Formats: sequence, C-alpha cells, structure tokens
Amino acid sequence: DTGVSQDPRHKITKRGQNVTFRCDPISEHNRLYWYRQTLGQGPEFLTYFQNEAQLEKSRLLSDRFSAERPKGSFSTLEIQRTEQGDSAMYLCASSSSQQTWETQYFGPGTRLLVL
Amino acid sequence: GDSVTQMEGPVTLSEEAFLTINCTYTATGYPSLFWYVQYPGEGLQLLLKATKADDKGSNKGFEATYRKETTSFHLEKGSVQVSDSAVYFCALTGRGSTLGRLYFGRGTQLTVWP
Repeated sequence: DTGVSQDPRHKITKRGQNVTFRCDPISEHNRLYWYRQTLGQGPEFLTYFQNEAQLEKSRLLSDRFSAERPKGSFSTLEIQRTEQGDSAMYLCASSSSQQTWETQYFGPGTRLLVL
Repeated sequence: GDSVTQMEGPVTLSEEAFLTINCTYTATGYPSLFWYVQYPGEGLQLLLKATKADDKGSNKGFEATYRKETTSFHLEKGSVQVSDSAVYFCALTGRGSTLGRLYFGRGTQLTVWP
C-alpha cells in the first residue's frame, strides 16, 4: 500500500490555459473524492466517484471543471480556461465502502497557481 | 446543512503545555467525526476519529470525545511537543448516505515553541 498519489505536485499556468491533474488512489479503494483547499480554509468537496461512476458534483464545480475515473482506477481533474480564482490546492482522497467505518485517505495535493 | 466550526487560530504554546482545540458541529442524524492534521509541506493525515456518541478517539497522545449533547469534538493533548506544530482540521461525514463527503472546519494553526 503506497498511499494516494497525485501528479503533478505543483503547476503554474497562465490564465486561459487548460490544466489536468491525476490522482492514483489506494489500490483496493473503490471511492475517490476531489477537494479544493484555498489558503486559510479547510478543504471543500468538489466531486465523488464510486468505481467509475461520478455520483455527485458540488456547486463549486463549474462547467469549466470535468473529472473522470475510467475503469474505476485513477482519476483526472481537468480545468479549462483557467482563471486566477482557480488558484488553490487540489486534493484527492480515496476510501473503501467495505470498511465498517469509512475513512478517507488523502494524497499530497496538487498546488495550482494561475497567473 | 452539515457544517463544522473550529476555534480560530493561531494557537501558540510552549512545549509540554496542555492543548485544547474546540470543534462543534451541525449535522443531520449521527455523523462520524474526525481530526485531520496537516504538517508543513505535507498532505492531510487522519489523526483520530469517533463514529458514535461517547466514543473517544485517540492517537499520538491526542484525544477527542464525541459529545452528542453539546455537538462537540474537542481535540486535547496533555503535553505538546515542537513536532506537533501543524494545522489541525475538524471534519464530519454524514451517516446513512452513500455520499461520504467530508465537511471540514477552517483549520487551526498550532505552533509549539521549545
């Protein structure tokens, strides 16, 4: 068990560019979550997958954001036409619905800076 | 809706001092409660959790008790160390739902001086 990994760890982009982030969950975990954390705030939920199905999206997730989890393994989060307000830490977490008391385990995050 | 309120920081303590970080919650039903910790330059790590009323979660000398009557889950440690300097987040997840999203507080920055 190597934990949740995210790539890249840091991304600097210019406003209007598209960016894509990847998350690899713990291998036996069937649930995967994306959160966004801005400076001085706690993480806020963005979206959630159970296996390959995207089951819920937050109102924070505008139509410029899209997430996928093909084959129920890794996930990608894409932001199109980035804006300065998208600058944040993007966190991925995974969990298993087989656990009696489900616990989410977080990756190190991808820090995005939009110039 | 579900939410968590944490005491605002930053909290600055001397080594071996007693620590309390207050956390109260609003939730439908009986949530599970968590404390996560974020050390400088690292990701969120689960510190402890409690899944029902009167449960006490504990880890690394930290403790928190699920108090349904006061809707609280305060974090305590009897003697802090410099290595405990980090940001602490209280969080909850609803029960009885297929969606296990976490609701986080704003975090409390703890700095411990030698």
